[in-house]
Amino acid sequence: DAGVIQSPRHEVTEMGQEVTLRCKPISGHDYLFWYRQTMMRGLELLIYFNNNVPIDDSGMPEDRFSAKMPNASFSTLKIQPSEPRDSAVYFCASSQGTGRRGYTFGSGTRLTVV
Amino acid sequence: GESVGLHLPTLSVQEGDNSIINCAYSNSASDYFIWYKQESGKGPQFIIDIRSNMDKRQGQRVTVLLNKTVKHLSLQIAATQPGDSAVYFCAENGAGGGNKLTFGTGTQLKVEL
Repeated sequence: DAGVIQSPRHEVTEMGQEVTLRCKPISGHDYLFWYRQTMMRGLELLIYFNNNVPIDDSGMPEDRFSAKMPNASFSTLKIQPSEPRDSAVYFCASSQGTGRRGYTFGSGTRLTVV
Repeated sequence: GESVGLHLPTLSVQEGDNSIINCAYSNSASDYFIWYKQESGKGPQFIIDIRSNMDKRQGQRVTVLLNKTVKHLSLQIAATQPGDSAVYFCAENGAGGGNKLTFGTGTQLKVEL
């Protein structure tokens, strides 16, 4: 099993540009989560999906952020337009069932908006 | 709102000593707790979990203790090794909260040789 795969690993972009982060969950996992990690706020849940359907997006900071999961093996998190305060490490995680064995996290995408 | 927090931001221990990392949670309805380890440049990695109907659970070199009376969780690492150096997070899953995990702020464990 290759684990949760995120791309790119690093992204540097200019303010105002669109940024798309990608995630491939573990095959067979029916939950997918997007988290953001910063020194100030720690790990924050942005949104999560169950069977490709968004369940809770209350953590999405504002309309500039959007997430999709067109199929069971792929999800995107898009920021448009990006701002310097969006700089963070974005993690994708997946789990099976109720996740009572925790999530499996990807290696993250480090986003820097200049 | 509900939150999970850590008492100590940094913990330094000598190699071979036991480490204890603490966590306070505020949601009394939480029924499942997890400890994660995050090494530099990597995503959090599952270490051990515990349900609220238990007060202790042991793994390999790690033990999690849960005190529901004071809403406190701890992670004990026996014979701490340099490879244990990382940030440790506790996380909680509230009853009825779907599959959401709320993470604490993290404790940096530094193992000194």
